[in-house]
Amino acid sequence: GDSVTQMEGPVTLSEEAFLTINCTYTATGYPSLFWYVQYPGEGLQLLLKATKADDKGSNKGFEATYRKETTSFHLEKGSVQVSDSAVYFCALLFGNEKLTFGTGTRLTIIP
Amino acid sequence: DVKVTQSSRYLVKRTGEKVFLECVQDMDHENMFWYRQDPGLGLRLIYFSYDVKMKEKGDIPEGYSVSREKKERFSLILESASTNQTSMYLCASRQPTGGTDTQYFGPGTRLTVL
Repeated sequence: GDSVTQMEGPVTLSEEAFLTINCTYTATGYPSLFWYVQYPGEGLQLLLKATKADDKGSNKGFEATYRKETTSFHLEKGSVQVSDSAVYFCALLFGNEKLTFGTGTRLTIIP
Repeated sequence: DVKVTQSSRYLVKRTGEKVFLECVQDMDHENMFWYRQDPGLGLRLIYFSYDVKMKEKGDIPEGYSVSREKKERFSLILESASTNQTSMYLCASRQPTGGTDTQYFGPGTRLTVL
């Protein structure tokens, strides 16, 4: 079946460091790919998405590129802030079916 | 903005009690979902509903049931709560538009079963 594998956390970085959170997927066909973020005490909210190969999603300084050849959708940010501390979930979606989530990566940014 | 609300942020129940978790969305979305979130396991889908009075089992439906009598409201029911149902429960809604649509989540209900 379809699955998403994320790098295990927790990840701790200093402010202004470069961030990469790895995400790879297994699926038959070409799903849409998503990154959701969960800030402390809140539900999930969409961070960015990409719907086809080579698409780049971006939002709030975060970027992720849909790489079909490596079945990956890694999340990157050039300079993280304390306010980026959250749990990040990679997910995939086929058509109108249900989202399949990764296990989440907890990110903590230290001032 | 889409708003998804859940009836309680925190809930404490005893083993064997019947528990109702309510979710309401205000954007006339057709699809609604219930997940549970556990450390190291991510989000797992319990049940979902494509439309009013319709329901489909997700990946972990055992011990749960759902009700969708009105389009805006989707209820999760624990018929007889058990300690292994202690978890964070998240509701979401979506308007299907062909595969690229976004799910909107509520703030979650943290349920503790003693």
